[in-house]
Amino acid sequence: KAGVTQTPRYLIKTRGQQVTLSCSPISGHRSVSWYQQTPGQGLQFLFEYFSETQRNKGNFPGRFSGRQFSNSRSEMNVSTLELGDSALYLCASSYGLTGLPYNEQFFGPGTRLTVL
Amino acid sequence: SQQGEEDPQALSIQEGENATMNCSYKTSINNLQWYRQNSGRGLVHLILIRSNEREKHSGRLRVTLDTSKKSSSLLITASRAADTASYFCATDADRGSTLGRLYFGRGTQLTVWP
Repeated sequence: KAGVTQTPRYLIKTRGQQVTLSCSPISGHRSVSWYQQTPGQGLQFLFEYFSETQRNKGNFPGRFSGRQFSNSRSEMNVSTLELGDSALYLCASSYGLTGLPYNEQFFGPGTRLTVL
Repeated sequence: SQQGEEDPQALSIQEGENATMNCSYKTSINNLQWYRQNSGRGLVHLILIRSNEREKHSGRLRVTLDTSKKSSSLLITASRAADTASYFCATDADRGSTLGRLYFGRGTQLTVWP
């Protein structure tokens, strides 16, 4: 099975711009979660989508949004970029169902966003 | 918050030695997972242990879980230079409203010297 893929891998933007990141989950996985990783704050949860619905959301401003398509691929958008948005953005996929004996989350390689 | 905490923050050992990392968390969980991250790259899933399991093995990895103490340990035996990485524990929450969300600690930076 192919792993989780993320595009692009690297991105450089300037303050005020917006950016869209993409994540393709493992085949058969319906849950996609997004995380932001910075040296100062560590790994922080952004949101989770399951079957095109946002099921869970972290404590990030409304500039951070996402969506999920019918094929489970997900996109994350950040509008009006700030310097502090520079980070590694990771997505993870899983089956996302309760009652399963195991529900591992598998991560993609990440998108490194630099805001100048 | 339910964030896990790894201990120690940094660990430096020689090849062939064993490395032990610990993780503590705050609330009840369904599962606990360990991940490895090489510098600035994605997280690699190592092992998942369920709340009703006490120990799991995978190759050179051994994970224990003590739900009464809300703690877990990851043991890497016969370490290699290629094991140099940051190691994170991640917990879910024993509540349906938090499906899909993992809580991470700050990680343990392991350095294995040849």
